[in-house]
Amino acid sequence: QSALTQPASVSGSPGQSITISCNGTSSDVGGYNSVSWYQQHPGKAPKLIIFDVSNRPSGISYRFSGSKSGNTASLSISGLQAEDEADYYCISYRSGSTYVFGTGTKVTVL
Amino acid sequence: QVQLVQSGAEVKKPGASVKVSCKISGYTFTDYFIHWVRRAPGQGLEWMGWVNSNSGATNFVQKFQGRVTATRDTSTTTAYMEVSGLRSADTAVYYCASEVANSRTIDYWGQGTPVTVSS
Repeated sequence: QSALTQPASVSGSPGQSITISCNGTSSDVGGYNSVSWYQQHPGKAPKLIIFDVSNRPSGISYRFSGSKSGNTASLSISGLQAEDEADYYCISYRSGSTYVFGTGTKVTVL
Repeated sequence: QVQLVQSGAEVKKPGASVKVSCKISGYTFTDYFIHWVRRAPGQGLEWMGWVNSNSGATNFVQKFQGRVTATRDTSTTTAYMEVSGLRSADTAVYYCASEVANSRTIDYWGQGTPVTVSS
């Protein structure tokens, strides 16, 4: 079961905007609007920041937004802050009632 | 408030088995699926499978089938995952996480259980 493809790392200066891509196939990202994004700080459990492609859970900053085009989902972070430095993962529902994570992206705030 | 509390760290020898527990509180246990996810050192998150807390049905990716058993006890609102035939590649932090049945969103997570496989 191959993982979704994400860039290994993305960096930006405080206040800037960055975008992380998540490339899949028509059997996962492209076939369902069931893509979520997680933020994971070292030693902590993942935290849900986007669900169903573009929805934010209660309490998640408006600076985080999600979208999808074809087989590619994207997470954007605007107004980058030091606390945004973390690993980010996409996950998609996949045919057969399974799920698949992305390879993960390390975000560095310069 | 939804809480998932996992059992403590484990150290096992190759070939042994490990059973991780996940105590759930704060919601109706049988309305949820419990997912199991792991993260090996230096690697990313890996989705392993889920157990339907109501029916007990499970669905694990092929690489874990036959080696991983997921169960649940509705009386104690606890989910369990047992991995047998441990090898060094199974060294990882194992997480349980919840999904409102069929919502396709995994929302709340346990704190993680480190499992080390070493001779």
